[in-house]
Amino acid sequence: QVQVVESGGGVVQPGRSLRLSCAASGFIFSNYGMHWVRQAPGKGLEWVAVISYDGSNKYYADSVKGRFTISRDNSKNTLYMEMNSLRVEDTAVYYCARGGDLADYWGQGTLVTVSS
Amino acid sequence: DIVMTQSPDSLAVSLGERATINCKSSQGVLCSSNNKNCLAWYQQKPGQPPKLLIYWASTRESGVPDRFSGSGSGTDFTLTIGSLQAEDVAVYYCQQYHSTPYTFGQGTKLEIK
Repeated sequence: QVQVVESGGGVVQPGRSLRLSCAASGFIFSNYGMHWVRQAPGKGLEWVAVISYDGSNKYYADSVKGRFTISRDNSKNTLYMEMNSLRVEDTAVYYCARGGDLADYWGQGTLVTVSS
Repeated sequence: DIVMTQSPDSLAVSLGERATINCKSSQGVLCSSNNKNCLAWYQQKPGQPPKLLIYWASTRESGVPDRFSGSGSGTDFTLTIGSLQAEDVAVYYCQQYHSTPYTFGQGTKLEIK
């Protein structure tokens, strides 16, 4: 069955960096684009970034552009998000989801807390 | 950016009654690739990730009960739950996947009256 599992969340100070990972299984990873979507505590969903199936195209929300980098390793069936210059307002559960435009399968998420 | 606005923000409906949630986009979301509206609906229960219910504005995802239906075109879309069940208590989101950034509505909290 399709499964995506996020990891790498934790508590980090403002201005520091963190890398999230998303391990995919149950489907041909290299055939699908992938998303990151986040949800601040008690808030709604915010789309963050998407990467094409081969990594050649990447798009970002303005709120993270220039600070976050989405990437993938198709040989490892893994999606990444490198997050730099973290801010308090980046605190959220980060979900990865399968899809190049429509996000159909979502992971359980990993919590990132940015706090001094 | 396309702004997605849902109404109402919250809704209380009696068991067995119909629930209707609206979603308005600031511009059309018709995808030229297939002439379908690139509009999805998700259900999120507490402590769980979002679950895809409807895509192309009206196509039900596999395994989704047929009491859930989507409709609309242009800039106005609707999610209807035909006969509310207790397990339908959740927050519902619309999202456009027409163009990046792939924006979500603010969510509608559905409760039992």
